[in-house]
Formats: sequence, structure tokens, C-alpha cells
Amino acid sequence: SQKIEQNSEALNIQEGKTATLTCNYTNYSPAYLQWYRQDPGRGPVFLLLIRENEKEKRKERLKVTFDTTLKQSLFHITASQPADSATYLCAPPFGAGSYQLTFGKGTKLSVIP
Amino acid sequence: KAGVTQTPRYLIKTRGQQVTLSCSPISGHRSVSWYQQTPGQGLQFLFEYFSETQRNKGNFPGRFSGRQFSNSRSEMNVSTLELGDSALYLCASSPRQGREYGYTFGSGTRLTVV
Repeated sequence: SQKIEQNSEALNIQEGKTATLTCNYTNYSPAYLQWYRQDPGRGPVFLLLIRENEKEKRKERLKVTFDTTLKQSLFHITASQPADSATYLCAPPFGAGSYQLTFGKGTKLSVIP
Repeated sequence: KAGVTQTPRYLIKTRGQQVTLSCSPISGHRSVSWYQQTPGQGLQFLFEYFSETQRNKGNFPGRFSGRQFSNSRSEMNVSTLELGDSALYLCASSPRQGREYGYTFGSGTRLTVV
């Protein structure tokens, strides 16, 4: 069955460094993948969408890559700040031809001043 | 413009009761999805509505149901509540069905079943 794994439940990094979060998927090939940020007690906030024919996408300090051979997406935050501390979720669609998203369990990022 | 509004924010119910949660999507958004979030299972898809029709349904028992009105507002209902139904219920809207759109989530309804 389809499976999504985010590399770790928690990641601590020093302010100013680049945070790299990993999302691996197995048993299917999503046509796109979305990344969300979630703060405690709040709903997720959409950050970026990357399509299968795009290798890389950027938005301000955020960068997402999509490697369909490795079945992996990497999410980078450069020059990280304490305000970037949150849980980050990757969300590919549920299956081929599906619009419905399925979410990974997320990585909780803590940026230490 | 106003975001996705979910009411109520918090709810405490007794096992066996039923509950109705409400979601008002962003104006102009016609697709509404519902998710259940728990610490152990993460975000799990419940169902999606588009133009008043349920388009997709997740792997939840029939006690979980929903509907969408002509103004795109949506409600979900859980009957015969169980302790395991305690969760954050999130509603998300998008302009229409389609993979090019990110979802806009509400802040959720925190349901506690005692």
C-alpha cells in the first residue's frame, strides 16, 4: 500500500543554519506534492506545490525538490529563524488521478536562537 | 478576505451522543474537505464535497457523515460518539477540485469525548 514517511519526528537546528526535511513515499508515483506548515492548535498552512516535472521550486527562503527516481522530496529553509519553528507536513495526492491529499505525520522543527 | 471559519472551536461531548461541526469556506471556494487529526495517526482524510456532492470518502465508519449546502458551507456529523473520536477536526477549502490548488485550512474544532 502507499506509504509516506517524513525522516524524523523532530529536528533541532541553530538559528541561521539551513534546515532540511525529508519526505519519502513508496508504492506509487504522485504527480505532485505539497508542503504545509502547522503551528500548535492551528490548521496547516499551504507553503509550496511541486509537480513531477519540476526538479526544484523556491519561495523566499524556502526551497523544495522532487526526485521521482528516489521517490523523495526535500524541503529546505535557509537562514532559519526561531519563527520558523513549527511542524512541517508533506502531502502528496492519495493515488493516481486523485486530487485528495494524504499527509505525512510531519517533522517538528525547532530553531534554537 | 475572510479565511475558513470553523465552529465551534471547542466541544466536550459524552460518549454515545452525536455532534455536528460547521465549516464556512473562503468565499468562492467550492471544494470542502474534512480531516481528523490525532497525535497517533496524524491527519486523516474523512471526506470531500464539491458542488454539494460527496466526491471522495476516507476509511471511516458510517457514524461519520457530512453534507455541503448550496452556498458551499459544510457540516460534518458524528453519531454515537466514542472516546476514540476525540480529535482536532479540520476543514479545508480550495477553489475547485484540482491538483494545482493548495488547501486553506480552518483552525479546527477540538472535540473531546468523555
